[in-house]
Amino acid sequence: AQKVTQAQTEISVVEKEDVTLDCVYETRDTTYYLFWYKQPPSGELVFLIRRNSFDEQNEISGRYSWNFQKSTSSFNFTITASQVVDSAVYFCALLEYGNKLVFGAGTILRVKS
Amino acid sequence: ETGVTQSPTHLIKTRGQQVTLRCSSQSGHNTVSWYQQALGQGPQFIFQYYREEENGRGNFPPRFSGLQFPNYSSELNVNALELDDSALYLCASSGQREGSPLHFGNGTRLTVT
Repeated sequence: AQKVTQAQTEISVVEKEDVTLDCVYETRDTTYYLFWYKQPPSGELVFLIRRNSFDEQNEISGRYSWNFQKSTSSFNFTITASQVVDSAVYFCALLEYGNKLVFGAGTILRVKS
Repeated sequence: ETGVTQSPTHLIKTRGQQVTLRCSSQSGHNTVSWYQQALGQGPQFIFQYYREEENGRGNFPPRFSGLQFPNYSSELNVNALELDDSALYLCASSGQREGSPLHFGNGTRLTVT
């Protein structure tokens, strides 16, 4: 069975601090996809990034960066110079061959000014 | 490009009643998935529709059923509502390509009293 673990339930930082959200996954498949989604208070899940299991290259998009390591089954997400608008719940998710996206429990990020 | 839209935004029902939630997929997307998100938890996969056929189902009882229409819009029906059905119901659409990211709507908040 596949599983996604986000061990950090809640993180509080002060604006401009860097913050890393951890994600560990379990799967027996060799082909799979990993995602990060952001859920602001409005409720909509906003797609941030997708990674497939064959692409371990790290990615940077503005203040966001992602570190994918198959050796440790981790797909961590770092926000550099956090801002109040980054406050949200962040979900890591795993898609194996097929159609079912399995989400972690989410990490609540609070950025204080 | 029109995003995923869901209706209604909020709904209050009584235990034992039936409810229908609606979703219009993002233009160009032919696959629709439904997720249930209980308070403080990650979304759970209910089922997916592709070309008007159910294409995968999560661990939900048969009283959760759905439809997809020729224009790719979809409905989620829940019969014999229970208190535990109170949740945010999220609809997501995606393209046909394997690993396509899901794009979510704002959700329908269902309260069962």
